[in-house]
Amino acid sequence: GDSVTQMEGPVTLSEEAFLTINCTYTATGYPSLFWYVQYPGEGLQLLLKATKADDKGSNKGFEATYRKETTSFHLEKGSVQVSDSAVYFCALGKGGSEKLVFGKGTKLTVNP
Amino acid sequence: EAQVTQNPRYLITVTGKKLTVTCSQNMNHEYMSWYRQDPGLGLRQIYYSMNVEVTDKGDVPEGYKVSRKEKRNFPLILESPSPNQTSLYFCASSAGTASYEQYFGPGTRLTVT
Repeated sequence: GDSVTQMEGPVTLSEEAFLTINCTYTATGYPSLFWYVQYPGEGLQLLLKATKADDKGSNKGFEATYRKETTSFHLEKGSVQVSDSAVYFCALGKGGSEKLVFGKGTKLTVNP
Repeated sequence: EAQVTQNPRYLITVTGKKLTVTCSQNMNHEYMSWYRQDPGLGLRQIYYSMNVEVTDKGDVPEGYKVSRKEKRNFPLILESPSPNQTSLYFCASSAGTASYEQYFGPGTRLTVT
C-alpha cells in the first residue's frame, strides 16, 4: 500500500540555520504531496502542497519540490526562526481516495 | 472564519463509560474524518464520511462509532472506552477527497483510566 517515510526526529537547530526534513513516498498512480505543521497545542495546518511532478510548493519561507524520479518531497528552509518550532508531517493523498497517508512526524526545535 | 471545532478539548474518563467527542465545521465540506495521534505512530485514520449518512472505516476503527446526520457535524462515539484509546484525537474536513487540503480541529486529548 501507499506509505510515507520521513526522517526521524527530533531535530534541534539554532536560529538562522538551514533546515532540511527528508520525506520519501511509495504510491501507485499520481498522488498529491503535502507538508502539514502542528504548532504546540494546536491542530495540523497545511504548510504547502504540490500536485504533480516537478511542482514546487512554498509558503512562509519553506519549500518542497515534488521529485517523481526519487519519490521525494523534502522540506527546506534557508533560515529558521524560533517560531518555526513545531512538528512537521509529510503526507500524500490521491484523488478518488478518502485516505490521507501521513508520515510519523518530525519534531523541530529552534533555539535562539 | 473557516474552522473546525471539537469539544471537549480535554477529557479524563474511566473504562467503560460511554463518551462522545463532537466535531463541527462551518465550511460546507462534504468530507470529514477522525484521526488519532500517538507518539511514534503519527496520525491514523479512524473513520471518514463522504457525505450525510455515508461513513466508512479507516485504519483503526475498532472500539469507535461515528454518525453523520448533518453535513456540518461528525461526532466520534466511544461506547465502552478502554485505556488503549488514550490518545490525541483530531477531526478534519475537506472539500473533496484526499488530494484536497484538510482542515483540522484543535484536538481532543482523551485519557481513559
